[in-house]
Amino acid sequence: LAKTTQPISMDSYEGQEVNITCSHNNIATNDYITWYQQFPSQGPRFIIQGYKTKVTNEVASLFIPADRKSSTLSLPRVSLSDTAVYYCLVGDIGQTGANNLFFGTGTRLTVIP
Amino acid sequence: KAGVTQTPRYLIKTRGQQVTLSCSPISGHRSVSWYQQTPGQGLQFLFEYFSETQRNKGNFPGRFSGRQFSNSRSEMNVSTLELGDSALYLCASSLAAGTSPVNEQYFGPGTRLTVT
Repeated sequence: LAKTTQPISMDSYEGQEVNITCSHNNIATNDYITWYQQFPSQGPRFIIQGYKTKVTNEVASLFIPADRKSSTLSLPRVSLSDTAVYYCLVGDIGQTGANNLFFGTGTRLTVIP
Repeated sequence: KAGVTQTPRYLIKTRGQQVTLSCSPISGHRSVSWYQQTPGQGLQFLFEYFSETQRNKGNFPGRFSGRQFSNSRSEMNVSTLELGDSALYLCASSLAAGTSPVNEQYFGPGTRLTVT
C-alpha cells in the first residue's frame, strides 16, 4: 500500500474554500485515491474517490494531476460542521479483493467562525 | 437502509479478561473489516472477513481474533486483555469485491473498550 503524507492540521474561516493536499509518490497503476472524513467518536465516512483528473460530487471535489503523485481535496465554502479529521488513502482492493484500508495520521481541519 | 451497527457501544473490562464485540453489516454487504483506533496509533487495520473467511489480517497479536457468520454478521474477540487494548474498535462493511467505488467502506459507530 502506498504511503500518504498530509498536513497534520489546518484552520479555515467559515465560508472559505479549503484545499487539503496529499502526497503519494509511490502510487501504483491500479491504485485509487480515496478521502474519508471522521468526526470525534464516530467511524470514518467516505467522501470522494478518484483515479485521475477531476472528480466532483455534492460535497467535495478531488483534483489529481497527470502523474498521480499527489491529490487535492477541495471543500467549497466550509461550515463549522466540517471541522473533522480528513484522511487520504491510496490503494486498491488487491488481487484477492481484500479490503484493508491504511489510514495515515490525517489532517485535522478546524473551521473558525 | 440501516447502517452498520455495533454492540455494545461501551464496555469496561479488567486486565486478563476477554471480550467479544459484535458487528452487523449493512444488508447485502458481505465484507466486514475491523479497525482499532487509539490516540497514539491512530486507525489500524485488524482483519477482514468475506463470506465467513478471513481474507486479510493486520499486524496484531493472536489475542485478537474474529469470525463471520453466514448472515455476514461478525464478531471480534480479544483474550487476556491488556491496558493497551483500550481503544475505539470500529467495524466497517462493504459490498463484494470488484464493486465501484473501490474501498468504499461504511463504518459503524464503534465500541469504546476501556481496560482497567
